Amino acid sequence: TAGITQAPTSQILAAGRSMTLRCTQDMRHNAMYWYRQDLGLGLRLIHYSNTAGTTGKGEVPDGYSVSRANTDDFPLTLASAVPSQTSVYFCASSAGGEAIQYFGAGTRLSVL
Amino acid sequence: GQNIDQPTEMTATEGAIVQINCTYQTSGFNGLFWYQQHAGEAPTFLSYNVLDGLEEKGRFSSFLSRSKGYSYLLLKELQMKDSASYLCAVTDSNYQLIWGAGTKLIIKP
Repeated sequence: TAGITQAPTSQILAAGRSMTLRCTQDMRHNAMYWYRQDLGLGLRLIHYSNTAGTTGKGEVPDGYSVSRANTDDFPLTLASAVPSQTSVYFCASSAGGEAIQYFGAGTRLSVL
Repeated sequence: GQNIDQPTEMTATEGAIVQINCTYQTSGFNGLFWYQQHAGEAPTFLSYNVLDGLEEKGRFSSFLSRSKGYSYLLLKELQMKDSASYLCAVTDSNYQLIWGAGTKLIIKP
């Protein structure tokens, strides 16, 4: 059972370049989420989607965009990366807003 | 503002018991989660409390007091593999999860 898959595992990116982090789930979950995790801070929500075709802004959305064309995929795009976007990015999914969230393995991104 | 507080780091001995506390102030409450996160890995679900009281699951138990905005995670018969960070998270009135910064638990032989 794959669950939730993220790609790439890690990436080094030059500042100013764009990049899309991929996230795919096979659990038919309605809700999907993107978080960033930085040392000493809790997981911070970037964007979320409660169902296919809808998205919403989380706590730290600036510099990021998402789309939810179908149930399974929820890509996160950095249009013009900056060093402060260096972080570990986790994608998660859940059956609904109050349900358990299941996480992908994460993408470790360094912006230089 | 919304806030989740938990200790940054705790140390315990293999075979012992440890209690990790979490206090929260959020706009609404729709449940409290505990997750475990080993270094370099993704968070994984441990427990969920929505009503006051104790939920027991094997060596792990989680307690909730909504009136006090307080929860704890109790780990018994500690094993070296329990060395990890433990994350407390609260679902607010918008059904968004608000996360604490996590408690790093170090287990010593």
